[in-house]
Amino acid sequence: GQNIDQPTEMTATEGAIVQINCTYQTSGFNGLFWYQQHAGEAPTFLSYNVLDGLEEKGRFSSFLSRSKGYSYLLLKELQMKDSASYLCAVRDGHTGFQKLVFGTGTRLLVSP
Amino acid sequence: DGGITQSPKYLFRKEGQNVTLSCEQNLNHDAMYWYRQDPGQGLRLIYYSQIVNDFQKGDIAEGYSVSREKKESFPLTVTSAQKNPTAFYLCASSTVEGEAFFGQGTRLTVV
Repeated sequence: GQNIDQPTEMTATEGAIVQINCTYQTSGFNGLFWYQQHAGEAPTFLSYNVLDGLEEKGRFSSFLSRSKGYSYLLLKELQMKDSASYLCAVRDGHTGFQKLVFGTGTRLLVSP
Repeated sequence: DGGITQSPKYLFRKEGQNVTLSCEQNLNHDAMYWYRQDPGQGLRLIYYSQIVNDFQKGDIAEGYSVSREKKESFPLTVTSAQKNPTAFYLCASSTVEGEAFFGQGTRLTVV
């Protein structure tokens, strides 16, 4: 089985930095993904980690520690358009039967 | 243009009826997935498939059925056995190792 936990909601101010945490427990780990989802729309891919460490992509960075079952998404220089839900997803399983499982998502509200 | 297409965008169903949601991709992806999303909630896995003619149940498969007769297509049938089918349904595809790409979603309402 698998269990993926994220905070339900966070608030931050325009221009600030926010860190969204994700912890997971899976039977077979094969990668962790972060997605952004605006209300009523499909999720869009943000980042991917399969090895320990930090992946940076513009204003967004994602960190992974496999031994701790922990990841975070770091958003810098927040903009109003960053108000959205952020979904952590884990590829769980072994070769041939890998499923992509999502956490419940973190709603981020950016205020002026 | 390569992509993943779901249809229809909005669907209304009477209680007791089966309904099929379409999902087609031309990305040459082996893996395809169906998720359900309820208001304010995350994505819950219904079914997934990694190769043609094979699929696996996800966490909430009861009341749903799928087929994978072609690599490009992974239709989802919501049967009358699904007690609370009103939700936003998302289809996705990926390579075996890569990130998933999502369709625009189908919003199903039971009337």
